[in-house]
Amino acid sequence: NAGVTQTPKFQVLKTGQSMTLQCAQDMNHEYMSWYRQDPGMGLRLIHYSVGAGITDQGEVPNGYNVSRSTTEDFPLRLLSAAPSQTSVYFCASSRRLAANTGELFFGEGSRLTVL
Amino acid sequence: EDQVTQSPEALRLQEGESSSLNCSYTVSGLRGLFWYRQDPGKGPEFLFTLYSAGEEKEKERLKATLTKKESFLHITAPKPEDSATYLCAVQGYSTLTFGKGTMLLVSP
Repeated sequence: NAGVTQTPKFQVLKTGQSMTLQCAQDMNHEYMSWYRQDPGMGLRLIHYSVGAGITDQGEVPNGYNVSRSTTEDFPLRLLSAAPSQTSVYFCASSRRLAANTGELFFGEGSRLTVL
Repeated sequence: EDQVTQSPEALRLQEGESSSLNCSYTVSGLRGLFWYRQDPGKGPEFLFTLYSAGEEKEKERLKATLTKKESFLHITAPKPEDSATYLCAVQGYSTLTFGKGTMLLVSP
């Protein structure tokens, strides 16, 4: 029962470096999304996808890119890391019919520090 | 703009001491209200969906209720393993908005 798997769990970057956070789900969910969670704030949506080949921006997309070449994988790319991107990142998935109901399955998170 | 406010920010209970967490919301066209549990260092875990005022859902010691302006998560006779942060989220026409959460600590 893998569910939603995120890698890496921890990462430290220097300002200006780029990296990719990986997300994979084995539940055949069509909807996948990336959130960031910062102290004192609610989860904020970065990007989402309703199926392979389809992506769209969420509330805080600047500085991040996504792609969805398969149903299972939804990587998040940081193009040029900035200290403001220090956060905990969560990948979440859902059956497409449930995408508007908030019944999301979350990964365990990737903790990113940008120095 | 949809808004979700959770109170209190933190709550400490003794084992067996029942209480309630509050989630107040403003949303254009409520399509659903959701409760999640988040343990330290983990991702949120889905608990309940409520769709309309008057609806109630129960799971073990937890019961969620919904009115037109707020939702309550009632915890009956809590145990230390109920300690976690509880998140509320509302789905409007196009967005899912999360609250900041209530951190619950249940002491034995």
